[in-house]
Amino acid sequence: DIQMTQSPSSLSASVGDRVTITCQASQDINTYLNWYQHKPGKAPKLLIYDTSNLETGVPSRFSGSGSGTDFTFTISSLQPEDVATYYCQQYDIVPLFGPGTKVDIK
Amino acid sequence: QVQLVQSGAEVKKPGSSVKVSCKATGGTFGGTFSSYAISWVRQAPGQGLEWMGGIIPMFGTTNYAQKFQGRVTITTDESTTIAYMELSSLRSGDTAVYYCTRGVRFGEILGPFDYWGQGTLVTVSS
Repeated sequence: DIQMTQSPSSLSASVGDRVTITCQASQDINTYLNWYQHKPGKAPKLLIYDTSNLETGVPSRFSGSGSGTDFTFTISSLQPEDVATYYCQQYDIVPLFGPGTKVDIK
Repeated sequence: QVQLVQSGAEVKKPGSSVKVSCKATGGTFGGTFSSYAISWVRQAPGQGLEWMGGIIPMFGTTNYAQKFQGRVTITTDESTTIAYMELSSLRSGDTAVYYCTRGVRFGEILGPFDYWGQGTLVTVSS
C-alpha cells in the first residue's frame, strides 16, 4: 500500500512569509497529487490538482510542484486567512490523504 | 450555484447502521449528476481526512477503500440527484464528520475532488 508523509506536521509563520510544505509518497505516483485546505467547521477546499495546476478561483500565492515521490506546496506570502490545515492527497491507485500540516500565524 | 447538501447529524448505537444523504443541486451540475463520481470522505475527531469510497451514478460503478469493504454501501438515485452512504456495524471509532464530494473529471472516481458537502456529524455512543 502507498503511504503518504507530510512535513512539517505544524508550522507558525508571520504574515508575508513564504511557507513550504513537503509531501512524500512511498512509491511513484506520477503527478497524481492534489492539495487541499481545510478550516475548522468547513468543508475541505481543493487548491492544487495534478501537482501544479491551480484550481479556478484560488489565489496565485498558492503553488505546487514535484513528481514521482516528492512534492512541494508553497504559499508565497502567507495571509491571515490562510490559517488552516493543508493535506496532500494522491490518487494513483485509491485516494489517500497525507496526515496534514497545520499552519498558524506567528 | 453548485451545491452538495447533506442530511443532518445522527446519533447511533454501537452495532447499528447509519445512512447519510447528499443532494446535488444548482447550475449545470444538477443536469450532469450522473456523469461525475461522488465520493465519501470522513474526519474523526483530531484525525485527518480518510476516503471511504465512491460511485459513478451513470454506470453504478463503485470503488471502496479496503478498510471499509463489507461495511459501507454507496448508492445514488439519479431521479432525485441524491447520493447515499450507508455504514453498518458502527463502533465508537466511526464517530466522525462525513463529507460527500464530487470528482472533477467525467467518469472518474479517483480524481481530484472539487465540490464538497457541508459535512454530517455521526456520533456512535451507547
